[in-house]
Amino acid sequence: DGGITQSPKYLFRKEGQNVTLSCEQNLNHDAMYWYRQDPGQGLRLIYYSQIVNDFQKGDIAEGYSVSREKKESFPLTVTSAQKNPTAFYLCASSTTRSGPGGYTFGSGTRLTVV
Amino acid sequence: AQKVTQAQTEISVVEKEDVTLDCVYETRDTTYYLFWYKQPPSGELVFLIRRNSFDEQNEISGRYSWNFQKSTSSFNFTITASQVVDSAVYFCALRGSGGGADGLTFGKGTHLIIQP
Repeated sequence: DGGITQSPKYLFRKEGQNVTLSCEQNLNHDAMYWYRQDPGQGLRLIYYSQIVNDFQKGDIAEGYSVSREKKESFPLTVTSAQKNPTAFYLCASSTTRSGPGGYTFGSGTRLTVV
Repeated sequence: AQKVTQAQTEISVVEKEDVTLDCVYETRDTTYYLFWYKQPPSGELVFLIRRNSFDEQNEISGRYSWNFQKSTSSFNFTITASQVVDSAVYFCALRGSGGGADGLTFGKGTHLIIQP
């Protein structure tokens, strides 16, 4: 079945470390997104990518980096510059064709700084 | 800029009561799409409905119904005869006419608690 796979489900990071969250999709979707969710804040867009080798900053990109070397993969690196990285991270994908494109979300990665 | 407002942070009702979740949006696009998602405690987002800006027909799906009113920029969600399994966080979201490449704009969510 097609879908999005995020790994790991839980991740613990020490202060000053970089960590990378994995997101893979087999839906042949062009666009991929990373969202951050904090309690009471809803979902906020970190980065998005419309095509391979291209990505754009979202609303809260500081302290994060991404790459899009393959259509299926959009990993997110949480760098040591992100001062408050503890959150729930959701990856999503969609078609960029005009019309009511659907979004598919992964099951999320919960990152905790220890 | 787009904005979605879900003014109700938390709602608690007793099972079998009807409950309405409010959603108000702002956009300059003439064509846009509105969504509702359910997020159970496990964390994944479950798609409930997508509505186009040019289709103001209300929709009913089982115990769920949606009332879209462009005149008031609202897209409210009603659960009839609520059940404990409906307990979750519900998000309203908006996508403009740019083909979805810049993602969804989410409200802050409404935490719905259904008490047995």
